[in-house]
Amino acid sequence: KAGVTQTPRYLIKTRGQQVTLSCSPISGHRSVSWYQQTPGQGLQFLFEYFSETQRNKGNFPGRFSGRQFSNSRSEMNVSTLELGDSALYLCASSPTSTMNTEAFFGQGTRLTVV
Amino acid sequence: GNSVTQMEGPVTLSEEAFLTINCTYTATGYPSLFWYVQYPGEGLQLLLKATKADDKGSNKGFEATYRKETTSFHLEKGSVQVSDSAVYFCASQKGGSYIPTFGRGTSLIVHP
Repeated sequence: KAGVTQTPRYLIKTRGQQVTLSCSPISGHRSVSWYQQTPGQGLQFLFEYFSETQRNKGNFPGRFSGRQFSNSRSEMNVSTLELGDSALYLCASSPTSTMNTEAFFGQGTRLTVV
Repeated sequence: GNSVTQMEGPVTLSEEAFLTINCTYTATGYPSLFWYVQYPGEGLQLLLKATKADDKGSNKGFEATYRKETTSFHLEKGSVQVSDSAVYFCASQKGGSYIPTFGRGTSLIVHP
């Protein structure tokens, strides 16, 4: 069974641009979550999607948005990039509607804003 | 609210030393508890978990026991290897929630 796939692995963008990151969950998983990981703040929850609906949201500005498609693939978008958005963005998927189960993480997308 | 506190790192050990990484949580009810590991250049992967008080999770020589009375879930290993060098994250997930709360992570460096 293929794992969680994130593309691209690395990105370099200029301040003010926007970026879209992609995540393909494990087959059969309908919940997809996004996290931002930085040395200073650790792992911070961005949002979670289930069946194309945003079910949970973290404390990030509106520049960060996401969506989920009918095949459970998800994208997140960051507009008007700032230097502080440089981070490793991790996607995780979980089995359908089960609570308290483990999350399966992708390898992440390393975003550098210059 | 729900929070997880881990000991600050990095933790530096020699090969075959005993490892303890402390983790405490605050949550109402009976959360499920997890340890995840992140190897360099990789995402997180589940190391072990426990879903109720006094449960012991174990995997690859690592163990952690769910202690309700001390709200702790400390990670231990009797003899670490160089290949265990990674960042370890403690997480809790309260009943009825789909989202785990992660600690800040503890970096482990094991020297030969």
